[in-house]
Amino acid sequence: AQKVTQAQTEISVVEKEDVTLDCVYETRDTTYYLFWYKQPPSGELVFLIRRNSFDEQNEISGRYSWNFQKSTSSFNFTITASQVVDSAVYFCAAYGGSQGNLIFGKGTKLSVKP
Amino acid sequence: EPEVTQTPSHQVTQMGQEVILRCVPISNHLYFYWYRQILGQKVEFLVSFYNNEISEKSEIFDDQFSVERPDGSNFTLKIRSTKLEDSAMYFCASRGGYQVSDTQYFGPGTRLTVL
Repeated sequence: AQKVTQAQTEISVVEKEDVTLDCVYETRDTTYYLFWYKQPPSGELVFLIRRNSFDEQNEISGRYSWNFQKSTSSFNFTITASQVVDSAVYFCAAYGGSQGNLIFGKGTKLSVKP
Repeated sequence: EPEVTQTPSHQVTQMGQEVILRCVPISNHLYFYWYRQILGQKVEFLVSFYNNEISEKSEIFDDQFSVERPDGSNFTLKIRSTKLEDSAMYFCASRGGYQVSDTQYFGPGTRLTVL
């Protein structure tokens, strides 16, 4: 059975620090897709990125970057020069069924202090 | 930019009452989902819906739950007889492409409080 593990429950940093959020996906599938979603204090789920298992290139979007390593099934998310507005719960997710339903990790709560 | 909308944003109900949570998916999307998030916990899949029928459901989605697409725009989740443990945030999501790998976009959620 598939499993998404986010080992870090809570992280607290000071503004401008870099922070990396870890995600490990356990599966027997050779092809899969991984996602990151952000849940700010207002509660909505905001899509950040989708990555397939064939693409191990790092991706960068502004202050956000993602590092996928198939050998370890890890899909880590780094925020460079964190800001207070980055404070949120971040969820890693993967497809868990034939109809595309997502399996979520337990989330990592990031607090960025000024 | 098209977005998924949900109403109401907060629903308070008495145990045993029926509630209907409403969602308007992105207009050209074909696949619809409901997820649940109990306060402080992870997001859990409830049900997926395509072509006017349930395509997959989780163990959580028991006989007290039902979904419907009553017209071309709304997608509803009904809880027949609410229990205290149904208190949670309920998210609707939709995806447009035929590939299961296509991105799901989530609505803002409905917070259900059962008293």
